[in-house]
Amino acid sequence: DAMVIQNPRYQVTQFGKPVTLSCSQTLNHNVMYWYQQKSSQAPKLLFHYYDKDFNNEADTPDNFQSRRPNTSFCFLDIRSPGLGDAAMYLCATSTALGYEQFFGPGTRLTVL
Amino acid sequence: RKEVEQDPGPFNVPEGATVAFNCTYSNSASQSFFWYRQDCRKEPKLLMSVYSSGNEDGRFTAQLNRASQYISLLIRDSKLSDSATYLCVVNDLTGGGNKLTFGTGTQLKVEL
Repeated sequence: DAMVIQNPRYQVTQFGKPVTLSCSQTLNHNVMYWYQQKSSQAPKLLFHYYDKDFNNEADTPDNFQSRRPNTSFCFLDIRSPGLGDAAMYLCATSTALGYEQFFGPGTRLTVL
Repeated sequence: RKEVEQDPGPFNVPEGATVAFNCTYSNSASQSFFWYRQDCRKEPKLLMSVYSSGNEDGRFTAQLNRASQYISLLIRDSKLSDSATYLCVVNDLTGGGNKLTFGTGTQLKVEL
């Protein structure tokens, strides 16, 4: 089945220790997104790639970076995680902007 | 004013009841509307897109009122398995972009 896969599902890191979250898709969608979601809050868009074009949200901290080496994969790098970065990180894909998005199962990040 | 507003609930209803959620959005230029379902600690999953003429999928009916800028979701014959958070999602065309903005969700609890 076509799907969006995220690894790892759970990630524990130490304060300030870089971490990379990965996302892959078999849907062959043009757009890939990274969201941060904290408890009882809406998913917050961090950035997206339309093909190779990177689009950063204005309020996304510099601490968050992303790479998309090919259509199928996208990575979220958190350079120096703080306690406030503990959250669920969701990857999503869509065929085009403004269209329905399909989410992976998320990576739950804990920062000690 | 928030871009997408929802009553957070929770809505506690007995099994078999009919329940309706409303959502208001602030950008009159929005063109894409969706309802997503999110179970506790899981990813959002597309429930249905919302079309101008209104649409139905089994026990679920979605309606759009552009003049008043609100979207509704009606669930008939509620099942225990309908217990979840329902996210209203609207596309945001601000600044020439086209991203999806999520509401914080309405929590539904269906009880015996």
